[in-house]
Amino acid sequence: GENVEQHPSTLSVQEGDSAVIKCTYSDSASNYFPWYKQELGKRPQLIIDIRSNVGEKKDQRIAVTLNKTAKHFSLHITETQPEDSAVYFCAAKANTGFQKLVFGTGTRLLVSP
Amino acid sequence: SQTIHQWPATLVQPVGSPLSLECTVEGTSNPNLYWYRQAAGRGLQLLFYSVGIGQISSEVPQNLSASRPQDRQFILSSKKLLLSDSGFYLCASRTGGGTEAFFGQGTRLTVV
Repeated sequence: GENVEQHPSTLSVQEGDSAVIKCTYSDSASNYFPWYKQELGKRPQLIIDIRSNVGEKKDQRIAVTLNKTAKHFSLHITETQPEDSAVYFCAAKANTGFQKLVFGTGTRLLVSP
Repeated sequence: SQTIHQWPATLVQPVGSPLSLECTVEGTSNPNLYWYRQAAGRGLQLLFYSVGIGQISSEVPQNLSASRPQDRQFILSSKKLLLSDSGFYLCASRTGGGTEAFFGQGTRLTVV
């Protein structure tokens, strides 16, 4: 079955710096890769996603890249702000059989002013 | 968009007691439903998922079970809770295809 690994587990940056979170997946049939942000005590919420037919997607300060060959995908946050501080989860889903949505272990991002 | 109702928000239960967490979904039909557990400072562990009424797949062998008696109702149960069952339980719903998963507000379960 699908296995998603996420690094780093914690990431501290200064306000204005960029932050990069990386994930790898094991199932070559996976074709949908969302990223979720979870603020303290709240539910995870989707911030950006990418499908396997696209190599990069950008939404303002957030971008996601996908390398299907290497089974890697990454989240890039530019010009970080203190409100970006949260736990970020990557996930992968294959469009085969049961619709499993498997998450990575999460990255705690701390943006210091 | 979908709305996920999950209750209760917090729960303190003694070891060996039963458990029933309920999740209902509004704003969609025939959703894929998921139960995740998040231990303190840990990731989202997939426990169960369902693509239809009565269709449940279990990801992790444990003393928990799930049922889907109606299209938009997903229940997580246990006959006898263990200390290790403590955690933050999240129900999620997603329509078919590569679309967004919507989460409930979660239930923080503490087994004492």
